[in-house]
Amino acid sequence: DAGVIQSPRHEVTEMGQEVTLRCKPISGHNSLFWYRQTMMRGLELLIYFNNNVPIDDSGMPEDRFSAKMPNASFSTLKIQPSEPRDSAVYFCASSFGHNEQYFGPGTRLTVT
Amino acid sequence: DQQVKQNSPSLSVQEGRISILNCDYTNSMFDYFLWYKKYPAEGPTFLISISSIKDKNEDGRFTVFLNKSAKHLSLHIVPSQPGDSAVYFCAASVDNNDMRFGAGTRLTVKP
Repeated sequence: DAGVIQSPRHEVTEMGQEVTLRCKPISGHNSLFWYRQTMMRGLELLIYFNNNVPIDDSGMPEDRFSAKMPNASFSTLKIQPSEPRDSAVYFCASSFGHNEQYFGPGTRLTVT
Repeated sequence: DQQVKQNSPSLSVQEGRISILNCDYTNSMFDYFLWYKKYPAEGPTFLISISSIKDKNEDGRFTVFLNKSAKHLSLHIVPSQPGDSAVYFCAASVDNNDMRFGAGTRLTVKP
């Protein structure tokens, strides 16, 4: 298996633009997690899905952030409009049941 | 609200010696604890875990200790190797859902 796949690996955009981050979880995994890593706060859980259903989105910082999981093999995290303080590395992770999570390589987002 | 805290942002150890990484948590409901290791430009990878019913779990050079009364866990690496140099994240969860991570500790093992 190729592991968790994230795209793009790097994204540079201007403030106010829409940003869409993509994730393909490991086949067979039924839970998917979106995290944000910053120097100040480390890894923060933004939202997680179980069987494609959002379970907890309390970590989503603002209404500018939204996430979808239309099927078991794809999820998106969208920021609209983006702001410089959204600059961070965004990780997607997946797991099967209550086992350990497998992380993707991350998307480094820079908003200027 | 940081429910999982790693108070040491960095640690430097000589090759062959023991590395001890510490982690404190505040939520007494946490029942599953994990350590992840992260190299630059890669996602975190699972290293070792411990359930709250245990106080120690060992896997090769890596041992995790859990002190529930103190709400403290630690990761021991012995002997440390240069390839262990990475950022180590402590994580805690209730039933391995909704995992909360610490800010990470950067370990440097010097040859």
